[in-house]
Amino acid sequence: GEQVEQLPSSLIVQEGASVLINCSYTDSASVYFPWYKQEPGKRLQFIIDIRSNMERKQNQRLTLLFDKKTKHLSLHITATQPGDSAIYFCSVNNAPRFGAGTKLTVKP
Amino acid sequence: GPKVLQIPSHQIIDMGQMVTLNCDPVSNHLYFYWYKQILGQQMEFLVNFYNGKVMEKSKLFKDQFSVERPDGSYFTLKIQPTALEDSAVYFCASSNWGYYAEQFFGPGTRLTVL
Repeated sequence: GEQVEQLPSSLIVQEGASVLINCSYTDSASVYFPWYKQEPGKRLQFIIDIRSNMERKQNQRLTLLFDKKTKHLSLHITATQPGDSAIYFCSVNNAPRFGAGTKLTVKP
Repeated sequence: GPKVLQIPSHQIIDMGQMVTLNCDPVSNHLYFYWYKQILGQQMEFLVNFYNGKVMEKSKLFKDQFSVERPDGSYFTLKIQPTALEDSAVYFCASSNWGYYAEQFFGPGTRLTVL
């Protein structure tokens, strides 16, 4: 079945830094890739998505890049703030399957 | 924004007992999901439910598991009988376009089987 790998497992950065979270999947038939974040003690919250007919999507400080050939996604977060501290999950919704998550900690 | 509710937030039961986890999805959504997350591990898909039927289920959705949504009320996950390995947080989600739209998640029910 579909496998979703997400790296790194954790990131610690200073406020204002940019971060990159990588995700790879195995099923070339997958077409929809939503991302979620989960702040401590809160529910998963949708943040951005991309479909397989796109290469790039931006939502404010979030940019999601998609490479269909390599079956790879990258979530770029710029100008990080302490409020961005959360666990970020990539997802392949054809399955649906989640990555293991990336715990982002932004220090003030 | 729209919220998915889950009741209860925490349930402790003895192994072998039955448990029902309740989910109140977003009101106009038609697709419903259950996920299982053991502490420190990945969130795993259990089942997808649409139009009164299970559309897809994973290997984790054992014969002891069942789901239903009688008359548009709660979407429920029933485990009968429970086993120790069922201890986890169970997340409910709903969406209005199946797998190809964002899902709205509940806060989870922490199930502890003793």
